[in-house]
Amino acid sequence: DTGVSQDPRHKITKRGQNVTFRCDPISEHNRLYWYRQTLGQGPEFLTYFQNEAQLEKSRLLSDRFSAERPKGSFSTLEIQRTEQGDSAMYLCASSSPEAAGATYNEQFFGPGTRLTVL
Amino acid sequence: SQQGEEDPQALSIQEGENATMNCSYKTSINNLQWYRQNSGRGLVHLILIRSNEREKHSGRLRVTLDTSKKSSSLLITASRAADTASYFCATDLSNDYKLSFGAGTTVTVRA
Repeated sequence: DTGVSQDPRHKITKRGQNVTFRCDPISEHNRLYWYRQTLGQGPEFLTYFQNEAQLEKSRLLSDRFSAERPKGSFSTLEIQRTEQGDSAMYLCASSSPEAAGATYNEQFFGPGTRLTVL
Repeated sequence: SQQGEEDPQALSIQEGENATMNCSYKTSINNLQWYRQNSGRGLVHLILIRSNEREKHSGRLRVTLDTSKKSSSLLITASRAADTASYFCATDLSNDYKLSFGAGTTVTVRA
């Protein structure tokens, strides 16, 4: 399967611990996005990469959050000193709007990582 | 804050009926997209309509866009139990590639 994959699918952690999530985008996609979704709400943009460059970060991304995309392939999202308010579904998406035949910015989402902070 | 707002928040219909949901947004857009999310899962792209388009069809889906009213609608015809899901509109602002989502409409199709 060549879709977007995320790991782990579920993470339960205690407040104050650090967690790291991984996203593997569709291989030919140069853009990668992270979103956060809380219960009953739509996804909210966190950050995005074009290749290895992190081009934009939302104000939602406090200094406890850091994202990387080394070599422009997979990406990691780390949350340090987790708080109960960090409990959410973290979604990764990828796209390639410049590719021939691409339908503008159609984004392909992974299954998400559900984080529960106790 | 979220750009879009869906209406209604929830919708319950009988199998075979049509389902209509609306999305309103606040600022100029490059395009508007609709996504479906089954419970606890990732989002699946349904359809994209550009700012210079007024209507678009894809299978049982029909999307309209009225940029003067900053609104869009999604119609699902002849609904099936498998259409039970949450539906989100997402706007792609000019020169931005990040998507801004509404809070979604939860659709339940009763057999």
